[in-house]
Amino acid sequence: GAVVSQHPSWVICKSGTSVKIECRSLDFQATTMFWYRQFPKQSLMLMATSNEGSKATYEQGVEKDKFLINHASLTLSTLTVTSAHPEDSSFYICSATREDTQYFGPGTRLTVL
Amino acid sequence: GDSVTQMEGPVTLSEEAFLTINCTYTATGYPSLFWYVQYPGEGLQLLLKATKADDKGSNKGFEATYRKETTSFHLEKGSVQVSDSAVYFCALGGYNKLIFGAGTRLAVHP
Repeated sequence: GAVVSQHPSWVICKSGTSVKIECRSLDFQATTMFWYRQFPKQSLMLMATSNEGSKATYEQGVEKDKFLINHASLTLSTLTVTSAHPEDSSFYICSATREDTQYFGPGTRLTVL
Repeated sequence: GDSVTQMEGPVTLSEEAFLTINCTYTATGYPSLFWYVQYPGEGLQLLLKATKADDKGSNKGFEATYRKETTSFHLEKGSVQVSDSAVYFCALGGYNKLIFGAGTRLAVHP
């Protein structure tokens, strides 16, 4: 149990376009999901906390108008990278909470050309 | 603020060697402690956890004990395999926020 999926697993897009990444908890309901960003050979950086039915809470330095988060149901949160630029290229990982533990998705590699 | 410090890698071992990856933490209160593992190109998988002092988490031959007196949660395995090669992250927190260490890369050679 406690499986989290992400879609797509990788995406390549042109500069200026928007990309949506989905995060789903497959076998449990999650009122809270998290979005992280990971640069090569580095640790995870928390971007935002996504709560079902309310606005996301963004970490300091993360542009909320650029990284739009929607948590429309107890099993789905989406991250939309708007007007993507090459510096947004990264590995994006979501997690969903079950009891006192976060379970992570497999990640989405975004490449912006 | 709360923080996690892990030993720097990479750690390179031969198969069947003993593994220790050190992790110490600074925290207010009594957070839960976690070890996550990340294989190349993948997300993080929960390896083990401990929710209170003196608890021992264990999974797949890995163990870690929540030591409040030394504020540590060192990861150990008696005999590593090539398939254990990955990056290991120590973290504290839980359902509301996780604070990660920098990660320790482990490479196991046959």
